[in-house]
Order: sequence, then C-alpha cells, then structure tokens
Amino acid sequence: DVKVTQSSRYLVKRTGEKVFLECVQDMDHENMFWYRQDPGLGLRLIYFSYDVKMKEKGDIPEGYSVSREKKERFSLILESASTNQTSMYLCASSFVSLAKNIQYFGAGTRLSVL
Amino acid sequence: GQSLEQPSEVTAVEGAIVQINCTYQTSGFYGLSWYQQHDGGAPTFLSYNALDGLEETGRFSSFLSRSDSYGYLLLQELQMKDSASYFCAVRGNQGGKLIFGQGTELSVKP
Repeated sequence: DVKVTQSSRYLVKRTGEKVFLECVQDMDHENMFWYRQDPGLGLRLIYFSYDVKMKEKGDIPEGYSVSREKKERFSLILESASTNQTSMYLCASSFVSLAKNIQYFGAGTRLSVL
Repeated sequence: GQSLEQPSEVTAVEGAIVQINCTYQTSGFYGLSWYQQHDGGAPTFLSYNALDGLEETGRFSSFLSRSDSYGYLLLQELQMKDSASYFCAVRGNQGGKLIFGQGTELSVKP
C-alpha cells in the first residue's frame, strides 16, 4: 500500500514564526504536491515538484516555499507564519504516467497560527 | 481561467441513487477524476475517465462527455458510510498536476 506520511497532525504556531511541514512517501513517486484546504474552497495547489530539487508554483504560492532534497521527502515552509495561513495542509504524491495519474494523500496537518 | 463547478451539498436517503455533476473549463484536458474525503480524513481516489462514456466500479460509476465538458459521479444503493465530500479533478496536461473542484458534501440520511 502507498503511504504518504505527514509529520504532524495538529500544529499551533505564533505569528511570525518559521514553520516547516514535512511529507514523506514510500512509493518512489516522481511527483509530490502541497495543497491547502479551506471550507468552500476545495483543494488549492501551493507548490508541486516533479523531481528532486525541481519545484513549480501552484495557484497560491505567496508566503510559502518548498524543498525537495530527496525523492521521498517534500517540505513546505512558511517563512513567516500569518493568521491567514491557518488551514488544513495536505501532501500528495503520484507517478508520472499517461494513465490514471492517481494522487495519494497524507492525512493532513491542521495548522493554527495565533 | 480554469475552473470546475460542482454542487456544494447533496442530501439523499439510504438505499437511493445520487448523481454529483461536474462541469469544467480548462485550457487542456487529459482526464476527469473523482476523489472521496471523509470528515477528518485524506482524499482517496475513486475513479477516472479519459474517454467519453461510463466507468463502473461496484456501486460507483463515473461518466464523461468531453464535448460538453461535463462529467458525473453516480452512487447507487447509498449507505450511511457514503456520507463524505466528493471532489472532481481535471488533469489539464501530461504532467501530474490536477485542478480540483470545490467539493460536494453528500449527506446520507436513514
């Protein structure tokens, strides 16, 4: 079974703190993604990576950065956390293929910025 | 811009059939997927349509009409455990990126 593991289920941080969200997948997937999920807004893509050290901006990259030093690990960084970054953060991974392109999701990290 | 439209909420009774529609407007199209997410859980893949027509997987079916930029998810013999949010998602290019709809919250009543 594919496993995507996010380091924390719940996180509480203060405004201005630097926050690291970690994600690890065990299926040798090329693609990894970071989304945030807010009520009524669905899943919005923050950043994605299709290979080690490669990254591309998604739809809402402002205030975030990412790091992919190893194929299995994709980190989301909030350089200076703000209250409007309080949200559920979901990591996903997938193979690159012309077929179903199934994304496998982690359980999510619910981040509260106070 | 690129967008997907689906109803925000649907309510149905146990044993019934429900259809969740999805219309999309994207610059490219390589397939329409459906994901299920229970409250507090991770989204999980349900089905995928790359070509027009119906795909059936047990109680769930998914339909696609590329000419109408439209698809739907059909859930039959509804069970209480089907209460969840359902997201449609379009693969717009050959890469792995998906564009998700806002999600439809399905409530199944006894």
